[in-house]
Amino acid sequence: EPEVTQTPSHQVTQMGQEVILRCVPISNHLYFYWYRQILGQKVEFLVSFYNNEISEKSEIFDDQFSVERPDGSNFTLKIRSTKLEDSAMYFCASNRGGRGTDTQYFGPGTRLTVL
Amino acid sequence: AQTVTQSQPEMSVQEAETVTLSCTYDTSESDYYLFWYKQPPSRQMILVIRQEAYKQQNATENRFSVNFQKAAKSFSLKISDSQLGDAAMYFCAYRGTNTGNQFYFGTGTSLTVIP
Repeated sequence: EPEVTQTPSHQVTQMGQEVILRCVPISNHLYFYWYRQILGQKVEFLVSFYNNEISEKSEIFDDQFSVERPDGSNFTLKIRSTKLEDSAMYFCASNRGGRGTDTQYFGPGTRLTVL
Repeated sequence: AQTVTQSQPEMSVQEAETVTLSCTYDTSESDYYLFWYKQPPSRQMILVIRQEAYKQQNATENRFSVNFQKAAKSFSLKISDSQLGDAAMYFCAYRGTNTGNQFYFGTGTSLTVIP
């Protein structure tokens, strides 16, 4: 069964550095998402992406963040100038779109640790 | 914004017994989707069950079933014949039809299965 994959599984970075988190959504899916889960807290929506542009974003998704689909398979989240509070688990998700195909399938997550 | 509330931070159940996890939500929409996701220690979010609000029939998936009470805005998950592998964090999630594609998650319920 197709799965969403994410790399790396764990990223450690110094405060102020830039990180790129990578995701490969399920191949016939059209909608892509990033969520964040700070340790011990609930999963929070960051951004959704459709047709090569951002379709929605939350208040968390400020100018520090950007997303890109650089090719036909990868979907990336870039965090510029990381802060300590960016430490979290970042989940990528995708869904095919259309009625009855609303279920989002999540990747295993990337644990980001900012030191 | 939509809110999802899981009032039980932790639950435990004896192996082979039945447990019910609670979830309530707040929305002004009439058409929406509800989900339960399981997050084991590996931290990958796995879909457990999905319910469409316009369907009156409660969804079931093997040992997992829901009690969907639309008027009460309640969506509880029942796990029958609990197994050790059911031990995980369970998240209730809401997706509207007029509020974009993003999911709104509850804070989660940590389920322990006692052998």
